[in-house]
Amino acid sequence: DAGITQSPRHKVTETGTPVTLRCHQTENHRYMYWYRQDPGHGLRLIHYSYGVKDTDKGEVSDGYSVSRSKTEDFLLTLESATSSQTSVYFCAISERGREGYTFGSGTRLTVV
Amino acid sequence: KQEVTQIPAALSVPEGENLVLNCSFTDSAIYNLQWFRQDPGKGLTSLLLIQSSQREQTSGRLNASLDKSSGRSTLYIAASQPGDSATYLCAASGAGSNYQLIWGAGTKLIIKP
Repeated sequence: DAGITQSPRHKVTETGTPVTLRCHQTENHRYMYWYRQDPGHGLRLIHYSYGVKDTDKGEVSDGYSVSRSKTEDFLLTLESATSSQTSVYFCAISERGREGYTFGSGTRLTVV
Repeated sequence: KQEVTQIPAALSVPEGENLVLNCSFTDSAIYNLQWFRQDPGKGLTSLLLIQSSQREQTSGRLNASLDKSSGRSTLYIAASQPGDSATYLCAASGAGSNYQLIWGAGTKLIIKP
């Protein structure tokens, strides 16, 4: 979607290294979300943000941290990557839920 | 706690058929319900968004309905085409949870030429 971009699109990293994924939006939406998607588990919420510097944990937040210093950027950091964090990561944005969610194209992360 | 269920998990039909995908939710206090499509290896594309005050939404060959009292939403696809083959996901948003989405597991749809 043109209003939300994720980078990188693909990444391979080694176990134990820190990794940062970026989500950038041009819609000026208040809410931003990070999900991971795995076979057999569907989409699971990692962290979300409801404003600049305002973040909260989702259901699978262990091993992840986030930061939002500007409305348009939401960063997801894997503090010390593990093989269990190999997944596809999606970012989503929403104004207040009224307009629904828009998803980015995803980042495919492989931890070796 | 809200739970969202999608039935069936998979569906295979011949091209040209009309079909219905089902989504049920346990808590009627939803803000809206959204249907998404996901192609293999791709991201999620929003198809239809139904606000809690609405009964249905239409886009082309797609029609989604919402019945909060019964905890159900259906996605109707008319005159199915092979290009409709994808996984269809429904998700309910609750105002009391910072509008977090509660997801169904999806219906994998295959349209046979």
